Amino acid sequence: DVKVTQSSRYLVKRTGEKVFLECVQDMDHENMFWYRQDPGLGLRLIYFSYDVKMKEKGDIPEGYSVSREKKERFSLILESASTNQTSMYLCASSLWAGGYGSNQPQHFGDGTRLSIL
Amino acid sequence: AQSVTQLDSHVSVSEGTPVLLRCNYSSSYSPSLFWYVQHPNKGLQLLLKYTSAATLVKGINGFEAEFKKSETSFHLTKPSAHMSDAAEYFCVVSDRTGTASKLTFGTGTRLQVTL
Repeated sequence: DVKVTQSSRYLVKRTGEKVFLECVQDMDHENMFWYRQDPGLGLRLIYFSYDVKMKEKGDIPEGYSVSREKKERFSLILESASTNQTSMYLCASSLWAGGYGSNQPQHFGDGTRLSIL
Repeated sequence: AQSVTQLDSHVSVSEGTPVLLRCNYSSSYSPSLFWYVQHPNKGLQLLLKYTSAATLVKGINGFEAEFKKSETSFHLTKPSAHMSDAAEYFCVVSDRTGTASKLTFGTGTRLQVTL
């Protein structure tokens, strides 16, 4: 079974802090994703990566950056945390399937519930 | 652009009765469609996926979904609900043009199962 591990289940930080959320997958997947989940809004894609050191913006990248130095690890960075970034953050990974990866399901971690005070 | 509409934000059924969670999609291409389930304080787990093979897709835990192109629907069903099915369910459509499988999520349907 694919295992996607997020380093923290709960995290409390202060406004203005730089925050790192870490995600590791153990199945050698090429693609990794960061989402935030808010009530009534479903999941929204922040950033994704399809290879080491490669990244693409998702739907809501403002205020976030990412790092992928190793294939198995994908980090989400809040450069200067703000209260509107209080949310549940979910990491996911999937296989790359040639030019059209759309039929590959994504495998999710258990999430990090982040509170910014 | 693709989109997903889950027609009910909340569904309540009695244990042992059928479950129907409704989903309509919009996609410019032949879509891949998924249903995921999320139990409290957990990540999302894949229930089933449709990828242009059989239109009736069977998933885990007795769930199934039928792809109806003419109705642009992908409703999730289960013949008999169990208490453990209480969770949030997400219908998801996939972008077929990218190098990665970018997903668009519905806003979720919370399933409540009562005794």
